[in-house]
Amino acid sequence: QSVLTQPPSVSAAPGQKVTISCSGSSSNVGENYVSWYQHLPGAAPKLLIYDDNKRPSGIPDRFSGSKSGTSATLGITGLQTGDEADYYCGTWDGSLSPGFFVFGTGTKVTVL
Amino acid sequence: QVQLQESGPGLVKPSETLSLTCSVSGDSISNGYYWGWIRQPPGKGLEWIGNVYQTGFTSYSPSLRSRVTISIDTSNNLFSLRLTSVTAADTAFYYCARQMRGSSSPDYWGQGSLVTVSS
Repeated sequence: QSVLTQPPSVSAAPGQKVTISCSGSSSNVGENYVSWYQHLPGAAPKLLIYDDNKRPSGIPDRFSGSKSGTSATLGITGLQTGDEADYYCGTWDGSLSPGFFVFGTGTKVTVL
Repeated sequence: QVQLQESGPGLVKPSETLSLTCSVSGDSISNGYYWGWIRQPPGKGLEWIGNVYQTGFTSYSPSLRSRVTISIDTSNNLFSLRLTSVTAADTAFYYCARQMRGSSSPDYWGQGSLVTVSS
């Protein structure tokens, strides 16, 4: 059972914007960097955002990340059919020693 | 380009030990990153299993800690996963990944290996 909560699903029409929330606590999101992943069926997960809001080389600026307190958000603008996938947040949790990495519950994005 | 490739049996019997190896190319496993294992049971979300540093230092998921061992072989540029006393609940796609310094975010992933636990 994940300690990071995401909405099960979000949807929007092509060209529109969606946001996905990731709610945690002071021991994880509140004090550590958040990353976001796109997982297409049959493929390895892909890193979209790291260190809360940085994009790896090759990731379009349609994808953005932000964080406030114990919640983080992934935004996708100009939604495309190829964006239909599962999206996960992830971060380090320091509530135990040594700490451990945790993923969110996952959000399915549907392009209407 | 960093590439990771999982290998190991695709079928394991209940109560036995699951063993997988991840071969790394395009980067030295002694280059200061962490090297981790992540799994996804069919129809469920991603679950981090644990990781290992070049020194052999490990971190594990609290829920799997009692059954997991991750080791590193710097001479052959690979790292390995052992999960003991498996049950059907351990059936999953198993991914190996490089985890970034600082944030531990997995940035490069293997393609994944399906391991089924069944008699």
